[in-house]
Amino acid sequence: QKEVEQDPGPLSVPEGAIVSLNCTYSNSAFQYFMWYRQYSRKGPELLMYTYSSGNKEDGRFTAQVDKSSKYISLFIRDSQPSDSATYLCAMFAGSGGSNYKLTFGKGTLLTVNP
Amino acid sequence: DTGVSQNPRHKITKRGQNVTFRCDPISEHNRLYWYRQTLGQGPEFLTYFQNEAQLEKSRLLSDRFSAERPKGSFSTLEIQRTEQGDSAMYLCASRPGGETQYFGPGTRLLVL
Repeated sequence: QKEVEQDPGPLSVPEGAIVSLNCTYSNSAFQYFMWYRQYSRKGPELLMYTYSSGNKEDGRFTAQVDKSSKYISLFIRDSQPSDSATYLCAMFAGSGGSNYKLTFGKGTLLTVNP
Repeated sequence: DTGVSQNPRHKITKRGQNVTFRCDPISEHNRLYWYRQTLGQGPEFLTYFQNEAQLEKSRLLSDRFSAERPKGSFSTLEIQRTEQGDSAMYLCASRPGGETQYFGPGTRLLVL
């Protein structure tokens, strides 16, 4: 079993839809959680970063963390064609010599259709 | 452009050849990471530098791989005797004192 599980999709939605992306993890040491967006043949770009359980909102994006269930989510409201990309969840332990190295999910390929 | 830069962006090589990639981190970021991403997978950690010291290496980093950061600024990743299984995107990321890593555009390697 991988430390981080993410449904690779693909996920196709109409413009304006609410998108829900999810990851589960098995390592209790993970304390910091991130969502990256990666366009085709480009490097990952940080979207959201959370530490504590609960919700964090930034514009059309909401990141949700439930440490008790080891489950994180990213919601995209009013999705746009420009949101079409691969979304990667990533996490790290932040202590105990982790060196803050990131463990990623496989990524979910999202297409928003006009 | 003050982001992380990587060169070359693309590299095609024949099996058995050596290749070297370069990463220039964001200025004053003293922490630098290399990751490898294969098709349909998320990036996987390869190695970590703090200044010029290589502090961690993944088991993925076989003895054919070597990374350096001689003056604590740019870094190089060399692969000797390349194999077809080395075909991947090689990503570099840098970090200041905080938690956020900033990624470069990657070097896409194809081994024929």
